[in-house]
Amino acid sequence: DGGITQSPKYLFRKEGQNVTLSCEQNLNHDAMYWYRQDPGQGLRLIYYSQIVNDFQKGDIAEGYSVSREKKESFPLTVTSAQKNPTAFYLCASSGSGSRTGELFFGEGSRLTVL
Amino acid sequence: GEDVEQSLFLSVREGDSSVINCTYTDSSSTYLYWYKQEPGAGLQLLTYIFSNMDMKQDQRLTVLLNKKDKHLSLRIADTQTGDSAIYFCAESLLAGNNRKLIWGLGTSLAVNP
Repeated sequence: DGGITQSPKYLFRKEGQNVTLSCEQNLNHDAMYWYRQDPGQGLRLIYYSQIVNDFQKGDIAEGYSVSREKKESFPLTVTSAQKNPTAFYLCASSGSGSRTGELFFGEGSRLTVL
Repeated sequence: GEDVEQSLFLSVREGDSSVINCTYTDSSSTYLYWYKQEPGAGLQLLTYIFSNMDMKQDQRLTVLLNKKDKHLSLRIADTQTGDSAIYFCAESLLAGNNRKLIWGLGTSLAVNP
């Protein structure tokens, strides 16, 4: 079945460590997105990529980095520069041919900094 | 500026109708969406409406769009306990050649048996 897979589902990190969250899709979608979700704050866009080897900063990119070397994969690195990294992270994708622009989401990764 | 607002909580009894409201500020939106998020999971598109439509019905779901007042609502008929979730309103804006999504904060729907 086609879909988006995020891993790991739960991750614990010590302060000062970088951590990479995986996002893989087999929907043949061109665009991929990373969102951060905090209680009561809705979804905030971290980075997005419209095509392989290209990506743009979203609204809260500081302390994060991404790469888009393959169409299927859009990993997110939470660096030690991110001041408050504990959150629920959501990856999404959309097809460039989609009339409605529907986003397909993964199940999320919950990062806790100890 | 671009903003989407929703009430944060709604509580209904099983079998009643639920109405979740959303207001937005940018009149150039192309599509408006309702996404559903169950606990600990990602979001799924529940329904959407094109900005030149007033109403869309899909089984138990009815979406009403009032462009003059920039108001969107989602009505769930015969609400079930399985409908308990967070419901996000979002609008799609064209930004150059790209589409930009503006999200509401989400309405947490609690369905009481």
